[in-house]
Amino acid sequence: GAVVSQHPSRVICKSGTSVKIECRSLDFQATTMFWYRQFPKQSLMLMATSNEGSKATYEQGVEKDKFLINHASLTLSTLTVTSAHPEDSSFYICSARAPGGSYNEQFFGPGTRLTVL
Amino acid sequence: AQKVTQAQTEISVVEKEDVTLDCVYETRDTTYYLFWYKQPPSGELVFLIRRNSFDEQNEISGRYSWNFQKSTSSFNFTITASQVVDSAVYFCALGQGAGNMLTFGGGTRLMVKP
Repeated sequence: GAVVSQHPSRVICKSGTSVKIECRSLDFQATTMFWYRQFPKQSLMLMATSNEGSKATYEQGVEKDKFLINHASLTLSTLTVTSAHPEDSSFYICSARAPGGSYNEQFFGPGTRLTVL
Repeated sequence: AQKVTQAQTEISVVEKEDVTLDCVYETRDTTYYLFWYKQPPSGELVFLIRRNSFDEQNEISGRYSWNFQKSTSSFNFTITASQVVDSAVYFCALGQGAGNMLTFGGGTRLMVKP
C-alpha cells in the first residue's frame, strides 16, 4: 500500500513555457503533500507544503508565483512551473502524508526530471 | 533550528567490504524521528528505516544495521559485506514538528566496486 505516482516522469520543454507536474496518492487519501526540488548531486530541498483545499505554504526563497501548487483533492496535487527557464531544470519529487497513527508517514513519488532548453 | 549533517560526500569501497555512513543531527525537540533513504540512479527514494527519539535500540536488517546514539546526536548506518547493488546516494533525514517536516542531510554517494 501507500503508493505515490508522479506524471510525467521526464519532461523537456523550451524556455518560457509552463510545465505541470502531477502527484497522486493511489491508495490512500493525503491531506498533505510536499514538493521537493533536487539539483544534480545535491540534497532534497523542501519547496512547499500543500494542504487539500487551502493555499500552499512555501519555503523561504521559493517564488510562489513561479511555482504554482494546487491541491484540489485528497489524492492529487499539481505543481506548475510557470515560464520555465534553464535554471529551473531539476528533479522534482513529491511526497504524500498518510493520516493516522502516531507518526504521519511521508511516501515519496518517483520524481519528475525537468529539463528546460 | 534543525540540521542534518552527512560529512562523507562520497565513499568508495570494494565489494564485500563493510562501510559505515555517518549522520549527525541537531534539534531542540525532544520528540523527533530519524530516517535513512536510498536513492539509486533512477532517482526514486527508497525508505530504509525510521527511528523515533525514544527508541535507542540498534537495529539490524540483513546486511544493514543502524546505530542510534542520542548522546552524540548520531544515527549511523552500516552496510556489511557491501555489494555492487548497494551503489547509490544515501540520505539521512530528521522528521519533527507537528507536521513531521523532513530535513534531509546532504547525502553520501556510495560506490561499491566489483
